[in-house]
Amino acid sequence: DARVTQTPRDKVTEMGQEVTMRCQPILGHNTVFWYRQTMMQGLELLAYFRNRAPLDDSGMPKDRFSAEMPDATLATLKIQPSEPRDSAVYFCASGRTGILAGGNNEQFFGPGTRLTVL
Amino acid sequence: AQSVTQLGSHVSVSEGALVLLRCNYSSSVPPYLFWYVQYPNQGLQLLLKYTSAATLVKGINGFEAEFKKSETSFHLTKPSAHMSDAAEYFCAVSGTQKLVFGQGTRLTINP
Repeated sequence: DARVTQTPRDKVTEMGQEVTMRCQPILGHNTVFWYRQTMMQGLELLAYFRNRAPLDDSGMPKDRFSAEMPDATLATLKIQPSEPRDSAVYFCASGRTGILAGGNNEQFFGPGTRLTVL
Repeated sequence: AQSVTQLGSHVSVSEGALVLLRCNYSSSVPPYLFWYVQYPNQGLQLLLKYTSAATLVKGINGFEAEFKKSETSFHLTKPSAHMSDAAEYFCAVSGTQKLVFGQGTRLTINP
């Protein structure tokens, strides 16, 4: 049963520290999405990649957040330096998009990384 | 551009009662529509999806949704609520290369 995996599941850190979250998408999916979920803002799309190239990162604070896909099996989201307002659950999702998907942009979500910045 | 509106951020029903969660969409092309469910401390998982085949779509856990083009709606229903249905539910429409999600509806089940 193919699943999106995320590590770590929980992270507690102090303000100013670097945080790295990792995601392994489902094999064969060409698009990876990063979301952030908070009580106040709900579910927000931060960035997404297709075939490892960034397509849109307009939802991401540029000064401290960065997202990469070093290879097809790993996506990373980094926050440096972290701030208390970054406390949230960060979700990775993967799916197939483009011509082969035909508009059926179903996404498969990972379990999330719960980040707490003190 | 595609968009989704979920009517009601919180819905409360009694166990055994009908569940109705409302979703209206806007799309410039024939839409693909989705309902996702998020249980506490978990990621979103697909309940069901409409991909232009049958207008009545059946999903997991007894849920179903009906696509009504004339009303631009895709409401989610379940005939009899169970305590385990307590969760947050998201409606989504396919956009360009991504899904556009609604704000979510939190469903509470009263014993």
